[in-house]
Amino acid sequence: DMQMTQSPSSLSASVGDRVTITCRASQNINSYLNWYQQKPEEAPKLLIFAVSTLQTGVPSRFSGSGSGTDFTLTISSLQPEDFATYYCQQSYSTSMWTFGQGTRVEIK
Amino acid sequence: QVQLVQSGAEVKKPGSSVKVSCKASGGSFRRSAISWVRQAPGQGLEWMGDIIPTFGKTNAAQKFQGRVTITADESTTTVYMELSTLRSEDTAVYYCARGPLVVLGTTPHYYYMDVWGKGTTVTVSS
Repeated sequence: DMQMTQSPSSLSASVGDRVTITCRASQNINSYLNWYQQKPEEAPKLLIFAVSTLQTGVPSRFSGSGSGTDFTLTISSLQPEDFATYYCQQSYSTSMWTFGQGTRVEIK
Repeated sequence: QVQLVQSGAEVKKPGSSVKVSCKASGGSFRRSAISWVRQAPGQGLEWMGDIIPTFGKTNAAQKFQGRVTITADESTTTVYMELSTLRSEDTAVYYCARGPLVVLGTTPHYYYMDVWGKGTTVTVSS
């Protein structure tokens, strides 16, 4: 099975900080990598698809990069509404989609 | 923009089955795939399977094969997910999510989930 490993599992940051979350795939997934944001008691929300394409309405402080097995989600200047859990997800393998375990971004 | 409305919370006994519905409205059901993702309490997201209604194709994650059945009624633009032989570990919030279809030749593909339902809580308890 394709494994997706995120790091860190959690982090504490302040408003205005630059935050970076990494996601590593156990196999080459080309550019089939998406990022989702989930706030408590809410459904996940698509942030970025195909590594770096921002979903409509997502602020430009979010960006994604990477290819192959190593990927990064960056928040350039953390805002209060960004405190949430972030998940990467691979869509390379039909019927074998998998998510990372999540990264919880907390207020320092 | 497609919107997804899920059925209400369920409480089930171990060994029984649950069927959750997901009604799509406001967009093109024919250009959509629907996935099911679940989240156990305090845990991460787990993809269960999907259906592409227009093409009649379904997939299930290996973990759920033989236990999950995903169907669609195009006349009502509703997708159903039935999970059988329930156990306590199946207690979770179940989400449906839509993916925009891309057809390459005659083969449908989708690569992400851009619209999510609000989730259906399923509790399995004796």
